[in-house]
Amino acid sequence: KQEVTQIPAALSVPEGENLVLNCSFTDSAIYNLQWFRQDPGKGLTSLLLIQSSQREQTSGRLNASLDKSSGRSTLYIAASQPGDSATYLCAAQGGSEKLVFGKGTKLTVNP
Amino acid sequence: SAVISQKPSRDICQRGTSLTIQCQVDSQVTMMFWYRQQPGQSLTLIATANQGSEATYESGFVIDKFPISRPNLTFSTLTVSNMSPEDSSIYLCSVDSQGAKNTEAFFGQGTRLTVV
Repeated sequence: KQEVTQIPAALSVPEGENLVLNCSFTDSAIYNLQWFRQDPGKGLTSLLLIQSSQREQTSGRLNASLDKSSGRSTLYIAASQPGDSATYLCAAQGGSEKLVFGKGTKLTVNP
Repeated sequence: SAVISQKPSRDICQRGTSLTIQCQVDSQVTMMFWYRQQPGQSLTLIATANQGSEATYESGFVIDKFPISRPNLTFSTLTVSNMSPEDSSIYLCSVDSQGAKNTEAFFGQGTRLTVV
């Protein structure tokens, strides 16, 4: 059974700092790994999708990497801004085609 | 990408009543997914809704409590029946971008349900 873990559970940084969010998964037989952003009380916004054959994806200030063999993905946020404050979730899609989510990292960027 | 409209965005309900949540997608999709997110927790899949067939429920979720309709390829409803305070959660619907595995998942804005 796939399990997804995100560390840290919460992170507070000053504006402008570069930061890394971590996601680990127990079953390396995944189709893809997806990163989402969730604002309080809201739905999920898709940020980046990494296929199992890819090593990384980039969108603006965001860069996500995937290492299937070690069961890890990271989300790198460059030059963080207060508007980046949200909870970041990763989800792994495996053979059952279902998404398994981590509990998220709550990010606060202080002005 | 897919644009998903979910209604209502929030509601406060009395215990013992039922609430139906609607999910409308701007394109035809084969499968629609319903998730629950309890306070402070991550998302848990409730069921997968296919058009023209019964929904497939995950372990711990039953049709009597969470009946689902899927009348066409762009619309689905989830009903939370005989509600108790433990049902207070955010409920979200989701689709895959191409209606196939290994594609990007998109979510509605969620329905924040409080049961009193």
